[in-house]
Amino acid sequence: EVVLTQVPDSQSVTPKEKVTITCRASQSIGTNLHWYQQKPDQSPKLLIKYASQSFSGVPSRFSGSGSGTDFTLTIDSLEPEDAATYYCHQSSSLPITFGQGTRLEIK
Amino acid sequence: QVRLQESGPGLVKPSETLSLTCTVSGGYISTYFWTWIRQPPGKGLEWIGDIYYSGTTRYNPSLKSRVTISVDTSKNQFSLKLTSVTTADTAFYYCARCMGSNVLDYWGQGILVTVSS
Repeated sequence: EVVLTQVPDSQSVTPKEKVTITCRASQSIGTNLHWYQQKPDQSPKLLIKYASQSFSGVPSRFSGSGSGTDFTLTIDSLEPEDAATYYCHQSSSLPITFGQGTRLEIK
Repeated sequence: QVRLQESGPGLVKPSETLSLTCTVSGGYISTYFWTWIRQPPGKGLEWIGDIYYSGTTRYNPSLKSRVTISVDTSKNQFSLKLTSVTTADTAFYYCARCMGSNVLDYWGQGILVTVSS
């Protein structure tokens, strides 16, 4: 099974700050890495698919990069509504697995 | 736009069977894989398994012995059964659509199932 490790586990950030979350896979997964945002008491929502492709309706301040084992989610100019937990997810091989999550708190 | 809605009991006794249904609207179930995922309160996400409209299933090996996922295309629904539940199965259960190479593009709002006597 592919293990995904996210860094950091949590972060406190100020509005308009640039945020970077990393996700490392235990083996190469190509670009089969996707990012989700989960706000409190809501279900996860797809932000980025295949490492760098924005999902429909997602604000342009969210972007993704990477391939192989190392991936990054970047939020340019953080907005207060971006307070959430962010998960990476690999679809390269079964079982599908997720990172442990990164909680973003807005100062 | 595709919408998914989970339904079923919110409380299940230990050793009994958890049964949930996901109703799909705004699109046909007769394409894509359809997925179940769970999340213990305050914890991370775990893939349970999924089903294609034809009935082909894929399960997480960690749960495979206790899980059955089925589909009813006439009702645009798919279902989850998890047998011999324990308190460790207490979680929010989400259904989701699996597009392309296992990308989960639309999710239901989730349902909390508590295992308790």
